[in-house]
Amino acid sequence: DVKVTQSSRYLVKRTGEKVFLECVQDMDHENMFWYRQDPGLGLRLIYFSYDVKMKEKGDIPEGYSVSREKKERFSLILESASTNQTSMYLCASSSAGQVLFGPGTRLTVT
Amino acid sequence: GQNIDQPTEMTATEGAIVQINCTYQTSGFNGLFWYQQHAGEAPTFLSYNVLDGLEEKGRFSSFLSRSKGYSYLLLKELQMKDSASYLCAVMDSNYQLIWGAGTKLIIKP
Repeated sequence: DVKVTQSSRYLVKRTGEKVFLECVQDMDHENMFWYRQDPGLGLRLIYFSYDVKMKEKGDIPEGYSVSREKKERFSLILESASTNQTSMYLCASSSAGQVLFGPGTRLTVT
Repeated sequence: GQNIDQPTEMTATEGAIVQINCTYQTSGFNGLFWYQQHAGEAPTFLSYNVLDGLEEKGRFSSFLSRSKGYSYLLLKELQMKDSASYLCAVMDSNYQLIWGAGTKLIIKP
């Protein structure tokens, strides 16, 4: 059963902490994405990657960075977490005609 | 700019039929997706249309007209568990996904 997994379902961090969110897919997809989703705002693209070591900024990259050292793994990094980064974070991977999401990580920054 | 429009909220009755519309304006077109998302959960794939016409999958069908920039998701024999948000997304010429804000569907007994 093909899938996308994320390292945590729920995470609570303090302001200023460095936060790592991991995403792994087992479908050999080239493209991987990080979104955040907030009530009333829909899905907003933070970063995406279309190949190993390649990354592109999405619509809201400020305060985030990413890493893709291996094809199956795409990490999202919050260098210094802030309360306005409290959100649901969704990872997705895609190939032609198929886009699959991980279960999501609900991050709370206090 | 690129834009996806879908109604914010719809209400329907258990056992009935509901149609959720999606219109889009994008730079190129490489397919349209529909996803279902229950509160607090990740979106799950429902359908993918790349050619004009109707795709039927059980109680759910999706229609596409590329010339009109229009799609709809049709849900038949509605069940309470169909209460969710339904997201429309278009893959543009750069293979980027453009997302609608989602339609919250409320099912009443």
